[in-house]
Amino acid sequence: DVKVTQSSRYLVKRTGEKVFLECVQDMDHENMFWYRQDPGLGLRLIYFSYDVKMKEKGDIPEGYSVSREKKERFSLILESASTNQTSMYLCASSSQFRGRSGNTIYFGEGSWLTVV
Amino acid sequence: DQQVKQNSPSLSVQEGRISILNCDYTNSMFDYFLWYKKYPAEGPTFLISISSIKDKNEDGRFTVFLNKSAKHLSLHIVPSQPGDSAVYFCAAFWDSGAGSYQLTFGKGTKLSVIP
Repeated sequence: DVKVTQSSRYLVKRTGEKVFLECVQDMDHENMFWYRQDPGLGLRLIYFSYDVKMKEKGDIPEGYSVSREKKERFSLILESASTNQTSMYLCASSSQFRGRSGNTIYFGEGSWLTVV
Repeated sequence: DQQVKQNSPSLSVQEGRISILNCDYTNSMFDYFLWYKKYPAEGPTFLISISSIKDKNEDGRFTVFLNKSAKHLSLHIVPSQPGDSAVYFCAAFWDSGAGSYQLTFGKGTKLSVIP
């Protein structure tokens, strides 16, 4: 079974702090994603990566950056956390190749971040 | 501009009856569709999918129907159970070539199954 692990389930951070959210997948997937989920807004893509050291902006990249130094690990960074970044953050991964589980994206359990 | 729309934010159904969740899309390049189920405080889990070359896919109590001409798909759950109460996301997949693809989610529909 595919496993996507997010290191922190619940975090509380202060405004202005730098926040790291870590994600690791164990299926050798090429693609990794960071989403945030907010009530009434669904899943919104922040950043994604198709390969090591490669990143692409999603729909709402402002205030975030990412790092992918190794294939299995994709980190989301909030350089200076703000209260409007309080949300549930979801990491996901998928194979690049259709037909090799490439039609399905697998999600982690989510990280609840509260910025006070 | 939302390319995948779930126009009903919530739906309530009696246990044992059919639940029908709807999804509309605008991009004719979408060629694969997925439904995800999400419980509070958990990540979404894959439920069922359908390729654009089919009009129906069934898996146990879950059936997805695709009407390409109307750009509409629906998820049927029969019979509905209280454990089905969750948020359901519709997602659409577009192979943009060169080994990459686009995946777009709807905003979700919260299903409540009443015992």
